[in-house]
Order: sequence, then C-alpha cells, then structure tokens
Amino acid sequence: EVQLVESGGGVVQPGGSLRLSCAASGFIFSRYWLHWVRQAPGKGLVWVSRMNSDGRSTSYADSVKGRFTISRDNAKNTLYLQMNGLKGEDTAVYYCARGGYDASGSYGDWGQGTLVTVSS
Amino acid sequence: QSALTQPPSASGSPGQSVTISCTGTSSDVGGYNYVSWYQQHPGKAPKLMIYEVIKRPSGVPDRFSGSKSGNTASLTVSGLQAEDEADYYCASYAGSAEAFGGGTKLTVL
Repeated sequence: EVQLVESGGGVVQPGGSLRLSCAASGFIFSRYWLHWVRQAPGKGLVWVSRMNSDGRSTSYADSVKGRFTISRDNAKNTLYLQMNGLKGEDTAVYYCARGGYDASGSYGDWGQGTLVTVSS
Repeated sequence: QSALTQPPSASGSPGQSVTISCTGTSSDVGGYNYVSWYQQHPGKAPKLMIYEVIKRPSGVPDRFSGSKSGNTASLTVSGLQAEDEADYYCASYAGSAEAFGGGTKLTVL
C-alpha cells in the first residue's frame, strides 16, 4: 500500500522559514516524479513544485520561485520542501503527491497534508 | 502560469449525467494528452479519477469518463449517485510547470 506522510507544518511569522518532509513507503521511491500541491483554506488546489525521479530536474510555480526549494533523498524515501521568505498567502495545507515515471500531469497518490500558517 | 478554467458549480439529479469542462491553452491542455481529474470530499485528500485524458485508475467506477477537444477537457459523470457530490479539479502538464483548474462543486440534487 502506497503511503505518503507529510510533516513539518506549523505556525510561522511572515518572512520566516519552514521545512516540510514527506516520508514515502509502499513503492519504489526512486522511480517516480514527486510533487508538492497546496490548498489555502476554503480554496482550490494549486501546484507548487515537482522533482523528477533522479533529482536532477525541478520546476516551481511562479508564486514560489526563488523562495521555495524542493529536494529528495532517495536513500531515505523522503521528499522535502524548504520554504523561505514565507508570506501570508503561503498559508495552506501542503500535500505531497506521487507523479508518474516521467512527465504525466497526474498525481496518483496523495498524503494527508500538513498545515502551514503564516501569521504574526 | 495560469490556472485552468472550470465552472464553479454543476448539479444533477440521481441517475442523470453531468459534464464538467476544463479550459486551458495550447501550452497546457491543448498541447499534451496529460490531463487528469480529481475528486475531493470535504476534509479529505484529492483522489485521482482520470489520467491521460481518458484513462481510469483501477477502482474508479466506469461512470466516470474523460475527453478532450482542442484546449478544453471534460469530465462526465453518468448515473449520478449521492456519493459523487464533491469538488472536482482538473490538472494539466504544461511543460515547465503544471496547472490545476479552480475546481467545480458538484451537487447531487
């Protein structure tokens, strides 16, 4: 059974930093693209970032480019999202999601999400 | 990077069919056969319902079907059931990024 478990969310002041983690199990982690998707309270899903299977290629939404960094440790089956310069509009539930072996535009499995609240 | 356009709401009676549209551009929906659809119930994580425009993951009822014409993709739910009431989101690969639609709240009357 595929499991994705996010952690690291919490309350942070504007301008602060947080590092989210996503621990994966139940599949061959190193073979899949992985994504971060967020959902502000009462709002829709927004794609944030992705990393390919070997970690050599990354992409970011314009809204987080230069502030967020995605990374992965294939030895630890863990995906990360380093978030710096946080703003109020970054307040959201952050989901990690498993993509495909290559570009696919789909996210077959999701974690339960971790809430990030940016507030003074 | 722009969000894909979905109608905010849709509705139908049990047993009826309803279609939800998802409009993008030639840079996303129209440029790739990588459109997917997600069902999300309140307080839950999204669930993949359709991928690569028309494919259904194992376990998804065949009442759910997808299609695409030009820059617009569609999700059709046939034989509506009470449990289909949820938010539905489309998504598309867009080369250097990916995009979601704004979501459609499906109400079963």
